[in-house]
Amino acid sequence: QVTLRESGPALVKPTQTLTLTCTFSGFSLSTSGMCVSWIRQPPGKALEWLARIDWDGDKYYSTSLKTRVTISKDTSKNQVVLTMTNVDPVDTATYYCARIRRGVVQGDYSFDYWGRGTLVTVSS
Amino acid sequence: SYELTQPPSVSVSPGQTASITCSGDKLGDKYACWYQQKPGQSPLLVIYQDNKRPSGIPERFSGSNSGTTATLTISGTQAMDEADYYCQAWDTTTAVFGGGTKLTVL
Repeated sequence: QVTLRESGPALVKPTQTLTLTCTFSGFSLSTSGMCVSWIRQPPGKALEWLARIDWDGDKYYSTSLKTRVTISKDTSKNQVVLTMTNVDPVDTATYYCARIRRGVVQGDYSFDYWGRGTLVTVSS
Repeated sequence: SYELTQPPSVSVSPGQTASITCSGDKLGDKYACWYQQKPGQSPLLVIYQDNKRPSGIPERFSGSNSGTTATLTISGTQAMDEADYYCQAWDTTTAVFGGGTKLTVL
């Protein structure tokens, strides 16, 4: 059974660095083909993809946030960590981690398991 | 940057067919996915690889993708299908979501 759970601070002050942890079970990020992403959703707004990390350590970032976001993994702990620097109130959102299902065909990637999300509010 | 465009809202009567579109440049050359999100819940994958249903997703959900438009079709729409729906595709190594469509069943 695949599960993912996000954890981190509920409240962060502007200009601070946000660190979120995704703890997962039911799969291993050391298995070839496995990938995990972070996605966020401001209250009442659409989903926004942030970053992805692959089993082989490759990392990919949203173009608009790549200067502020870093994704990393600890395979032994089954965790993926997202850090976001210099946060602003516009970063207030529910942050989700999700596993990526990779199909056999090139380009066939989808988010098949999601965590419940963690709401982060940026306010002084 | 790549963009996907969805209508903000779609309404459908119970038992009828609902169609939700998603438009993007040469979207038909990519694979489209669809996610259902009900209030207070995480998104749920309902369609992947344009037209495949994950295990447990009812057959009334189907998808297509050609040219610049991907379409999610819900046949025999039920009240439980009322939710926000998001399309998603990959622009090389970047995931892109549409703005979401609120499906109202009335």
